[in-house]
Amino acid sequence: SQQGEEDPQALSIQEGENATMNCSYKTSINNLQWYRQNSGRGLVHLILIRSNEREKHSGRLRVTLDTSKKSSSLLITASRAADTASYFCATDAPNTGNQFYFGTGTSLTVIP
Amino acid sequence: DSGVTQTPKHLITATGQRVTLRCSPRSGDLSVYWYQQSLDQGLQFLIQYYNGEERAKGNILERFSAQQFPDLHSELNLSSLELGDSALYFCASAAPLAGGPSGGTDTQYFGPGTRLTVL
Repeated sequence: SQQGEEDPQALSIQEGENATMNCSYKTSINNLQWYRQNSGRGLVHLILIRSNEREKHSGRLRVTLDTSKKSSSLLITASRAADTASYFCATDAPNTGNQFYFGTGTSLTVIP
Repeated sequence: DSGVTQTPKHLITATGQRVTLRCSPRSGDLSVYWYQQSLDQGLQFLIQYYNGEERAKGNILERFSAQQFPDLHSELNLSSLELGDSALYFCASAAPLAGGPSGGTDTQYFGPGTRLTVL
């Protein structure tokens, strides 16, 4: 299956520290996206990176993509308690009828 | 607020029953996706509609069906409910990329979800 896998499954850090989450996937992609989900709520889109891009920034977020390794990382700098949430990567892929495949998620806890 | 609405927010029902979940996409979005999120299965893609037509099918059970209406809202019907169907059900909408309906989609915008509890 195309489903991505995030690593680590859970991460706990102090406020102000950086948090890094990784995502690996299995086949070629058009783009990869990161989403955030607060407990029991809907997913919120954070950032999209296309297969021909290597790095993208949005505020305190930095995403990298290595298509040769089929992996991506999400870095949250200067974390805040409000960043506590689950983070998912999602990939689409050519010729899949626009299906998105979500990873299993990383649960991030930022301790004030 | 993503602009995607889902009703109801919560639904509690008994095994064997049938329920209908409703989703209204963002204005202008033609695609609607349904997902099931349970504790043990994670976020599972169920089905996608584009402008009223089924476009892609994922891990959707035969007891489940969906449709997208001319006004682009969508309904997910779950029948013969089982305890294991208890989950959060999300819909998401997306705009088509340039290139028309056969092209890929970009960002998906998620609704707040419907929490289904089957007792």
